[in-house]
Amino acid sequence: DQQVKQNSPSLSVQEGRISILNCDYTNSMFDYFLWYKKYPAEGPTFLISISSIKDKNEDGRFTVFLNKSAKHLSLHIVPSQPGDSAVYFCAATNFGNEKLTFGTGTRLTIIP
Amino acid sequence: GAVVSQHPSWVICKSGTSVKIECRSLDFQATTMFWYRQFPKQSLMLMATSNEGSKATYEQGVEKDKFLINHASLTLSTLTVTSAHPEDSSFYICSARSEGRTGGEQFFGPGTRLTVL
Repeated sequence: DQQVKQNSPSLSVQEGRISILNCDYTNSMFDYFLWYKKYPAEGPTFLISISSIKDKNEDGRFTVFLNKSAKHLSLHIVPSQPGDSAVYFCAATNFGNEKLTFGTGTRLTIIP
Repeated sequence: GAVVSQHPSWVICKSGTSVKIECRSLDFQATTMFWYRQFPKQSLMLMATSNEGSKATYEQGVEKDKFLINHASLTLSTLTVTSAHPEDSSFYICSARSEGRTGGEQFFGPGTRLTVL
């Protein structure tokens, strides 16, 4: 049972435009969400997180939006840069819990 | 800060042998370390949670006698794949959470690619 889903396995975006990566979850107990970026043969790197008491968190070019009623979150990257090309994983947990549940990932390709 | 290393980065072994993978937190003390496994084009699957000085907690379906985890200190956890078989070939990633952190943020190692012939 995949509790965290990223339905788009891949996404291509023109450099300078906005990249929007989506993530859906089914477990209503999740209250803390994270986005990780992963290059091939490397471990994931933390990007940005959001707790369920917020609906938006921004850090530079990265913004995460959370829609609790829809159990949906999205990561916006603007403007997109070639170095953003990677696989992006969303992850979910209960705040204070140790375990992360990961989505299946979306491969983002930025076209120069 | 918050650097996690893994050694080796890749290993090829014969079927039936055992392989040890080390995970170290280089600049912080990790009360908890996690071991994940990733198959190609799939998500990271949590295998076990390792707490310093106590037994690891394994996820459902993970054989604890096959995947031995030892968290000997606040900076080192090891995963030993015993009697490895070709189906154990995978990308193994560890992560660590530092003392005092209550959020879900974990710092990941670079991963170890295991190929069992």
